[in-house]
Amino acid sequence: AQSVTQLGSHVSVSEGALVLLRCNYSSSVPPYLFWYVQYPNQGLQLLLKYTTGATLVKGINGFEAEFKKSETSFHLTKPSAHMSDAAEYFCAVAPSGANSKLTFGKGITLSVRP
Amino acid sequence: EPEVTQTPSHQVTQMGQEVILRCVPISNHLYFYWYRQILGQKVEFLVSFYNNEISEKSEIFDDQFSVERPDGSNFTLKIRSTKLEDSAMYFCASRGRGLQNQPQHFGDGTRLSIL
Repeated sequence: AQSVTQLGSHVSVSEGALVLLRCNYSSSVPPYLFWYVQYPNQGLQLLLKYTTGATLVKGINGFEAEFKKSETSFHLTKPSAHMSDAAEYFCAVAPSGANSKLTFGKGITLSVRP
Repeated sequence: EPEVTQTPSHQVTQMGQEVILRCVPISNHLYFYWYRQILGQKVEFLVSFYNNEISEKSEIFDDQFSVERPDGSNFTLKIRSTKLEDSAMYFCASRGRGLQNQPQHFGDGTRLSIL
């Protein structure tokens, strides 16, 4: 079984500041990990994914995430926040090697202050 | 870039009525999914569909729910007799063939409101 924990429901940063959104997962098999972003009144857009290989993955809009197996974490970072980054961010896990469902965390709302 | 499209964007229905939510997945995709998100809660998996049959379903997906791919392009979710607790945003997703690590692509969702 898989589960995702995203602590906190809201993160607020200043424009230009570091963004760090935390995600911890639990999986009984090697996981595939994903970050999705949801802008108001829109669907879920893939930011980045980890499947195999390099543990530091780069995504769209300057975001990146690092898979740390020992910590069961997949935290999302961006060096410098932009106003347009304000959205809801979801971490998700799927078991590898199967056509499987995504299990989502509850999401974190990111606000960016001018 | 190809997109998953969902219609309608908002559906208002009386409790007990049947509702059909429609999705057009990306054209060369083979794996299809429905998820829902009750207001303020997590996105939850409902069902996955491959090769014209359900491959996995959650506890939420009871006898009131069904899915169908009636032609080569549409993928529908039917709720036979809606309840108040079915009010949620419903997302369709699709995934391509090939490597297992293909990501799922989501539509913009249908907001279902049950009165």
